[in-house]
Amino acid sequence: GAGVSQSPSNKVTEKGKDVELRCDPISGHTALYWYRQSLGQGLEFLIYFQGNSAPDKSGLPSDRFSAERTGGSVSTLTIQRTQQEDSAVYLCASSPSGGEAKNIQYFGAGTRLSVL
Amino acid sequence: AQSVTQLDSQVPVFEEAPVELRCNYSSSVSVYLFWYVQYPNQGLQLLLKYLSGSTLVKGINGFEAEFNKSQTSFHLRKPSVHISDTAEYFCAVSAVSNDYKLSFGAGTTVTVRA
Repeated sequence: GAGVSQSPSNKVTEKGKDVELRCDPISGHTALYWYRQSLGQGLEFLIYFQGNSAPDKSGLPSDRFSAERTGGSVSTLTIQRTQQEDSAVYLCASSPSGGEAKNIQYFGAGTRLSVL
Repeated sequence: AQSVTQLDSQVPVFEEAPVELRCNYSSSVSVYLFWYVQYPNQGLQLLLKYLSGSTLVKGINGFEAEFNKSQTSFHLRKPSVHISDTAEYFCAVSAVSNDYKLSFGAGTTVTVRA
C-alpha cells in the first residue's frame, strides 16, 4: 500500500513569508508525527497527533509554528513569518493504533524547506 | 527524558568488510530501541527494532543489533557490507510508557568503498 506522502518535496521561500507543508499518513494510521531535520540540531520532534486527543505540541520551537490534522488524516504544518533558521527537512511519520506496531513510526520522504 | 549518543559520526568501510555502528542511550524508564537508515534525499526507513523478547534482533538487508541493558547500548552490525549500504544511520529511542516521541542520535554516515 501507499506510504506516508509529503508535499511539496521542496519549497523555497523568502524570509518573512508563510509556508504550509502537507502530510498524508498511511491509511488507517491514527498517530501522526512531525520532525525537523537540520544540520545543526539533527532530528527533532515537533508535534504528535493521536486520534481525537489533544496534540502534544511540546516540540514546536516557537509560536510561529502550528499544525493541524483534519478528520484524523491529513496534517498541515504551518510556519509563519519564516526565518532562515527554519531551513531544514521536515519529516512526517505515522503509526497504527494497536499492538506492537503502534510503537513503529513510518516516515515520509520529507519536505526540504529553504528560506532565503 | 531519553537521549541517544552515536559514538561515530563517520565510518568508512571497504566492500565486503564487516561494520559496527555504536549507539548508547540514557533513560530513567524502560525504552524501545530502533535503527533507521536514510539514503540520500530520502526519508527514514526502519532497519530493525527492539520492543521486547530476544535481545538480538535481526532486521532488513542483513543488519542485526543487540540490546544490552546493563551497558545501555544497542549497537548495529553487518558482517559484510555492500556499496548500496552507503547511507546515514540513526539510532532512536522511545519510552515504553505512553509516550511515542522518538529521540534520535546525531547519525552515523557509512561510506562503503570498493
